[in-house]
Amino acid sequence: GDSVTQMEGPVTLSEEAFLTINCTYTATGYPSLFWYVQYPGEGLQLLLKATKADDKGSNKGFEATYRKETTSFHLEKGSVQVSDSAVYFCALSSGGGNKLTFGTGTQLKVEL
Amino acid sequence: GAVVSQHPSRVICKSGTSVKIECRSLDFQATTMFWYRQFPKKSLMLMATSNEGSKATYEQGVEKDKFLINHASLTLSTLTVTSAHPEDSSFYICSAPGHGSYNEQFFGPGTRLTVL
Repeated sequence: GDSVTQMEGPVTLSEEAFLTINCTYTATGYPSLFWYVQYPGEGLQLLLKATKADDKGSNKGFEATYRKETTSFHLEKGSVQVSDSAVYFCALSSGGGNKLTFGTGTQLKVEL
Repeated sequence: GAVVSQHPSRVICKSGTSVKIECRSLDFQATTMFWYRQFPKKSLMLMATSNEGSKATYEQGVEKDKFLINHASLTLSTLTVTSAHPEDSSFYICSAPGHGSYNEQFFGPGTRLTVL
């Protein structure tokens, strides 16, 4: 079955540091890949997505590239801010349906 | 973007009682909604797919008699945890898919259930 593996957190960074959160997946066919973010006390929000190999999703300074050869979708940001502190979930959807398979989530804490 | 609400945001109940959680799509219609359970430091686990006008589809290992789902209208799905026990304490989240082609989901803020 489908699965998503994320690096374990929590990740603690200083403001303006470079962020990478690793995500790899196993899926049948050609899945769509997503990063969702959950701010404290809020529901999950879509951060970015990519639907085919070599696509790059980007939003709010975050980027992730769909790498079919390494089955990865690592999340990166060049300079994090305190407001980026949240839990980040990598997810995939395959088979043409709407079901999402999530990774375990990675908590990010950005300090001044 | 589309908004999904949940009510209540948190509930505390005694063991053996039943608790109903509502999930509403506020500005769009959803013939399908999804219910997830999130354990501390764990991923979201899909429990079931709620289908308007038909029975819910439950994931393997989820007791359908324990977690009753009713998709009453195109904007409302309810999850009822029957005869709740402490091990049912968790964070329950619903979502509804958008109408685009990339399976984007819109999530509710979640309901924290604590069973004493």
